[in-house]
Amino acid sequence: AQSVTQLDSQVPVFEEAPVELRCNYSSSVSVYLFWYVQYPNQGLQLLLKYLSGSTLVKGINGFEAEFNKSQTSFHLRKPSVHISDTAEYFCAVMNTGGFKTIFGAGTRLFVKA
Amino acid sequence: DGGITQSPKYLFRKEGQNVTLSCEQNLNHDAMYWYRQDPGQGLRLIYYSQIVNDFQKGDIAEGYSVSREKKESFPLTVTSAQKNPTAFYLCASSIDFSVGELFFGEGSRLTVL
Repeated sequence: AQSVTQLDSQVPVFEEAPVELRCNYSSSVSVYLFWYVQYPNQGLQLLLKYLSGSTLVKGINGFEAEFNKSQTSFHLRKPSVHISDTAEYFCAVMNTGGFKTIFGAGTRLFVKA
Repeated sequence: DGGITQSPKYLFRKEGQNVTLSCEQNLNHDAMYWYRQDPGQGLRLIYYSQIVNDFQKGDIAEGYSVSREKKESFPLTVTSAQKNPTAFYLCASSIDFSVGELFFGEGSRLTVL
């Protein structure tokens, strides 16, 4: 069975500071990995995805993530955050032969002025 | 613009009543999904459908029902058998089961009074 653990439920950070949101997963097979963002009372939007190839993945809004197979991690980073980045971020995993996406519990990012 | 439309955005229900949440997509996607979101628990899969007239139970299907009579539509009924229906419900679609990226609607918030 697969599982996703987001190591921080809330991350407060000052504007223009760097941020890292941590995600670890567990799976016995190869996986696809995703980060989604959710603004209040809205649906989720894809930030970036890892399917294969380069382990450093760049997404929208200046975010990037690095797939580390040995540590089974897929941490999300941004070098300088903005107030508008305040949202909830979800890490998700899907095995390459399947259909079911498993989501982490989410990390709420607060960007302070 | 292509996308997923969920309605209503907010819904109040008395105990013992069934309610139906609408989900329509014009992305020409084969696969559609319903998720339930509760604070601090991420997203949990209720039902999914790969093609018209076919759907399968997800992890928390008890107290819910769906239909898939048209490719574009995947309504969810929350029945009186659902013990704790107050939640945020998200409909999603993907091109097909092998492609992991999900496209989400803006959600429907159901409150049982």
